[in-house]
Amino acid sequence: AQSVTQLDSHVSVSEGTPVLLRCNYSSSYSPSLFWYVQHPNKGLQLLLKYTSAATLVKGINGFEAEFKKSETSFHLTKPSAHMSDAAEYFCVVRGTNDYKLSFGAGTTVTVRA
Amino acid sequence: DGGITQSPKYLFRKEGQNVTLSCEQNLNHDAMYWYRQDPGQGLRLIYYSQIVNDFQKGDIAEGYSVSREKKESFPLTVTSAQKNPTAFYLCASSILGILNQPQHFGDGTRLSIL
Repeated sequence: AQSVTQLDSHVSVSEGTPVLLRCNYSSSYSPSLFWYVQHPNKGLQLLLKYTSAATLVKGINGFEAEFKKSETSFHLTKPSAHMSDAAEYFCVVRGTNDYKLSFGAGTTVTVRA
Repeated sequence: DGGITQSPKYLFRKEGQNVTLSCEQNLNHDAMYWYRQDPGQGLRLIYYSQIVNDFQKGDIAEGYSVSREKKESFPLTVTSAQKNPTAFYLCASSILGILNQPQHFGDGTRLSIL
């Protein structure tokens, strides 16, 4: 069975400063990992996915994540936060079954002007 | 544009009433899913379907029912047996059989009790 732990329930940053969202995973197999973003009253939008081709994954809107097998982590970063980055972010792991996703509890990002 | 359409955006349920949430996709995806989202929690899987006329229970199926009569459509009925239906419901779809394909989500339906 797989699981995900998002280490921060809330992150607050100033506009223009870096953002770091932390995610640790547990999986018996080589996992597929995803980061999604959710704006209020909206669905989830895919930011990026880890496909085992490269440990550093680049996504949309300037986000990237690094897969570290030794630390079982998949942290999400962005060099410079923008006001539009204020949202909730979910780290997601999938095991060997296509359908079964495990979601973290989410990290709410607040961006201060 | 291809995507997933959920309707209505907001829905209210009276005591003892069944309500049906609509989900339609034009992505030609094989699999469709229903999730429930509660504040401060991740998404929990209610039902999923990998092929027309077949569906499977997820982690929290009690009080819910689904059908999959067409590839594009996967409606969810919240029955009166679901005692705490107030939540945000998300429908998703995905391609099957290709590694690392993500699930794509609709914009959700917010269900409240009157």
